[in-house]
Amino acid sequence: QVQLVQSGAEVKKPGASVKVSCKASGYTFTSYDINWVRQATGQGLEWMGWMKPNSGNTGYAQKFQGRVTMTRDTSITTAYMELSSLTSEDTAVYYCARAGTDGDFGRWGQGTLVTVSS
Amino acid sequence: SYELTQPPSVSVSPGQTASITCSGDKLGDKYACWYQQKPGQSPVLVIYQDAKRPSGIPERFSGSNSGNTATLTISGTQAMDEADYYCQAWDRSTVVFGGGTKLTVL
Repeated sequence: QVQLVQSGAEVKKPGASVKVSCKASGYTFTSYDINWVRQATGQGLEWMGWMKPNSGNTGYAQKFQGRVTMTRDTSITTAYMELSSLTSEDTAVYYCARAGTDGDFGRWGQGTLVTVSS
Repeated sequence: SYELTQPPSVSVSPGQTASITCSGDKLGDKYACWYQQKPGQSPVLVIYQDAKRPSGIPERFSGSNSGNTATLTISGTQAMDEADYYCQAWDRSTVVFGGGTKLTVL
């Protein structure tokens, strides 16, 4: 079955970077885009960007341009999201999600809590 | 930038029909989808391509999208349907989520 398994919780200091992984299984990794979405406690869903695993092409939300990098390693069917220059406002649960052909997110990872605190 | 607007909360009695709206400029020209999220869980896709249900989603969930409004309808609402619901659409290679609607079944 299709699964997206994310890396564990992280605690970072302000100004640091965090890299979250998303291990895909149960389907052809290069056939579906991976998107990243975050959610601060008690808040709504916030889209961060997409990545095409077959080419490595990416597209980022304007808010995160220059601060986010999405990559992948096709040999281990894993996608990564790295966010730099962290502030307390980046404290959130970060999700990876597999996009369907019409842009819906039919599969989600379990989420990774990133806490930014001094 | 493109925006999707949802009511913050909707209440419904068990067994009744709940409707959650999502408004955006010419939203009917785009595909809308809907997610259900329960506390502490990842979102779950309940409607895609405006009105299609993924495998495993009960038939009581339905969707429509026309003009400026997409609507998620839950017929015969059950206590287990109490959750946050988010609409989503694409606008010029960018994903937009609505602010979310808390559905209370009481």
